[in-house]
Amino acid sequence: EVQLVESGGGLVQPGGSLRLSCAASGFTFSSSWMSWVRQAPGKGLEWVANIKQDGIETYYVDSVRGRFAISRDNAKNSLYLQMDSLRVEDTAVYYCAREHYGGWDYWGQGTLVTVSS
Amino acid sequence: QSVLTQPPSVSGAPGQRVTISCTGSSSNLGAHYDVHWYQQLPGRAPKFLIYGNSNRPSGVPDRFSGSKSGTSASLAITGLQAEDEADYYCQSYDSSLDGYVFGTGTKVTVL
Repeated sequence: EVQLVESGGGLVQPGGSLRLSCAASGFTFSSSWMSWVRQAPGKGLEWVANIKQDGIETYYVDSVRGRFAISRDNAKNSLYLQMDSLRVEDTAVYYCAREHYGGWDYWGQGTLVTVSS
Repeated sequence: QSVLTQPPSVSGAPGQRVTISCTGSSSNLGAHYDVHWYQQLPGRAPKFLIYGNSNRPSGVPDRFSGSKSGTSASLAITGLQAEDEADYYCQSYDSSLDGYVFGTGTKVTVL
């Protein structure tokens, strides 16, 4: 059974940092593109970043480029999102998801990040 | 950035058929990028509903179907059931934004 379990969310002040983790199991993690997708409270879905199998190619939505960094450790079957210079508008539930044909077939349960003073 | 437009809400009685439109542009759906659909129940993570315009992942009932033509796509739900009450999102890739994009989302209400 495919499982994606996020952790690391919480309350942080504007300008602060947070590192999210996603533990993957039930599939060959090293063979999959992976993404982070977020959803602000009461709002729609927004793709944040993705990373190729080898961890070298990464892509970001414009609003987070230069502030967020996606990475992975295939030996630990884990995906990460380092978030720096956080803004109030980054408040959202962050989902880890496995890519499939340009979409995402498996999602974690999400972890809530709240940026507030 | 929601560059794919969906109606905010659609509703129907149990057993009826409803459709949700997803309108894009020449840099996403019109550029032949595939559209995918997700169902999100309240308080839950999105579920992969349709991929590659019209394909259903294993376990998705055949009451759900998708289509795409030009810069538009649609999701149809036939034989509407109470458990179908959820938010639905379309998703594709946009070459101008150089990234994945979602639709604005549609809330389906079963009357």
